[in-house]
Amino acid sequence: AQSVTQLDSQVPVFEEAPVELRCNYSSSVSVYLFWYVQYPNQGLQLLLKYLSGSTLVKGINGFEAEFNKSQTSFHLRKPSVHISDTAEYFCAVITTSGTYKYIFGTGTRLKVLA
Amino acid sequence: EAGVAQSPRYKIIEKRQSVAFWCNPISGHATLYWYQQILGQGPKLLIQFQNNGVVDDSQLPKDRFSAERLKGVDSTLKIQPAKLEDSAVYLCASSLMAATNTGELFFGEGSRLTVL
Repeated sequence: AQSVTQLDSQVPVFEEAPVELRCNYSSSVSVYLFWYVQYPNQGLQLLLKYLSGSTLVKGINGFEAEFNKSQTSFHLRKPSVHISDTAEYFCAVITTSGTYKYIFGTGTRLKVLA
Repeated sequence: EAGVAQSPRYKIIEKRQSVAFWCNPISGHATLYWYQQILGQGPKLLIQFQNNGVVDDSQLPKDRFSAERLKGVDSTLKIQPAKLEDSAVYLCASSLMAATNTGELFFGEGSRLTVL
């Protein structure tokens, strides 16, 4: 079975400061990894994904994430945040075969302060 | 390209009443998911369809929840009778799930249910 752990439920950070949102996963089979963002009263939208290849993946809005297989982590980073980045961020994994079961973490609420 | 459509956006009902949510996925997407998102938590899969067949409904409370996807396109999620703990946002998502699948889910804006 797969599981996803997001270690921080809330992360406050000042505008223009860097931020890292942590995600660890557990799986007995190969997985794809994703970060989704959810703005208030909206559905989730894809930020970035890791399927294979380079372990550093870049997404929309200046976000990037690094896949670390040995540490089973997929942390999300942004060098300089904006007020508009305030949202809920979800890490997710999906198996690469079978029923393509998506598992989401519990989310990290990023609060960017002026 | 039109996105995933859901309705209604908001619904308030009394406990023990029934409610139904509708979802129209992106055209051509074979896989459709219903998720329940309780305030402050991540989405929890209720049911996954591949075309009009059920792939996974292990977390669907079948004594009160039901879902169908007729003709492999639109889907309806029903709750009857509703309980207070069913208050949540119900998210519908769809995905291509082709051989070259990238696994990306496309979500609707959700249907927020409040049970009083």
